Amino acid sequence: DIQMTQSPSSLSASVGDRVTITCRASQSISTYLNWYQQKPGKAPKLLIYAASSLQSGVPSRFSGSGSGTDFTLTISSLQPEDFATYYCQQSYNTPWTFGQGTKVEIK
Amino acid sequence: EVQLVESGGGLVQPGGSLRLSCAASGFTFSTYSMNWVRQAPGKGLEWVSYISSSSRIIYYADSVKGRFTISRDNAKNSLYLQMNSLRAEDTAVYYCATDRVGDLGAFDIWGQGTMGTVSS
Repeated sequence: DIQMTQSPSSLSASVGDRVTITCRASQSISTYLNWYQQKPGKAPKLLIYAASSLQSGVPSRFSGSGSGTDFTLTISSLQPEDFATYYCQQSYNTPWTFGQGTKVEIK
Repeated sequence: EVQLVESGGGLVQPGGSLRLSCAASGFTFSTYSMNWVRQAPGKGLEWVSYISSSSRIIYYADSVKGRFTISRDNAKNSLYLQMNSLRAEDTAVYYCATDRVGDLGAFDIWGQGTMGTVSS
């Protein structure tokens, strides 16, 4: 199975900050990498698919980059509604696997 | 409105069974593959199972293989997960999710989830 490792596991940031979350795959997954946002008690929401494609309706302050084994999710200017947990997920092959999550908290 | 609604969760004893359902609306269900993803309390996301639009291709996570069965009824716009021989570690919120972004394994629509609790 492909292991997905996110860093950091949590971070504290202020509104307006630029935030970067990293995801590393245990083997090359090309660009088969997706990012989700999850708020407490809610289902995850797709933000980015295929490493860098912005899902319809997602604000442009979210962006994704990377290929192979190293990927990044960037929030250019953190907004109050962005405080949540973020997960990466590989869809290169089954079993689809998720990172352990990165919790973004208010500083 | 595009929507997925799960049902069927509940409390069951170890070794018991549950059948989860997911009702789809607002999109052409028969066109898209479907998945089940679960989340244990306070934990991360775990993909459970995949079924193609025609039901010809099915995959399972090793943790549920041989115990869980995914199926769908395109005439009823419904997805199912039959869960047998349940264990405490199967306790989780179970989400159904679909991939409409080009069969890239990216889950763009999720249900609200249904909780399955395995406990004596």
